[in-house]
Amino acid sequence: DAKTTQPTSMDCAEGRAANLPCNHSTISGNEYVYWYRQIHSQGPQYIIHGLKNNETNEMASLIITEDRKSSTLILPHATLRDTAVYYCIVRVATEGAQKLVFGQGTRLTINP
Amino acid sequence: GAVVSQHPSWVICKSGTSVKIECRSLDFQATTMFWYRQFPKQSLMLMATSNEGSKATYEQGVEKDKFLINHASLTLSTLTVTSAHPEDSSFYICSAGRYNEQFFGPGTRLTVL
Repeated sequence: DAKTTQPTSMDCAEGRAANLPCNHSTISGNEYVYWYRQIHSQGPQYIIHGLKNNETNEMASLIITEDRKSSTLILPHATLRDTAVYYCIVRVATEGAQKLVFGQGTRLTINP
Repeated sequence: GAVVSQHPSWVICKSGTSVKIECRSLDFQATTMFWYRQFPKQSLMLMATSNEGSKATYEQGVEKDKFLINHASLTLSTLTVTSAHPEDSSFYICSAGRYNEQFFGPGTRLTVL
């Protein structure tokens, strides 16, 4: 799986949009970009994934650059409960029976 | 849907004893489950891939005789930490795959005294 690079930490004010970048310059054509987050002392939670088109769901939006070498996860109206470590992972989207390799992620702190 | 549970949520044991952690997919079947370990302030590290009806596949550096994995059914995988030592104290997390997603359990915090 391709390696990803994320900032170690970020801060965002409550109510503002949180934009989390991820670089994946060695991504292959058949690899998707997945985002998970982990709130302290809990298991990771799936957020969103995409291949090349921008994606949006009830939690977030995912913007993938045209060359697919980077992406941005957007939490449109961050709340205190969004404070977590966010992981960007790239992998082939076959059946779920494929391991995930976690990097260090970005520790996002939402401030009141 | 797609809920994964773990039991126990936390456990404290004495050094030298064995501890079993269960991972269940509550509303779907999973032929493959994964076990991760997470030390404080670190990321998740994959330990092994648990396959229903066959032997688990361990990542490099993970002792298969120390971390016994049994995938007894399509909804249950167990991780047994044998002869636990204080350095095995960690947060153990399992996951199960369905379609293109993986769903994680809430984790089990193991403390070895």
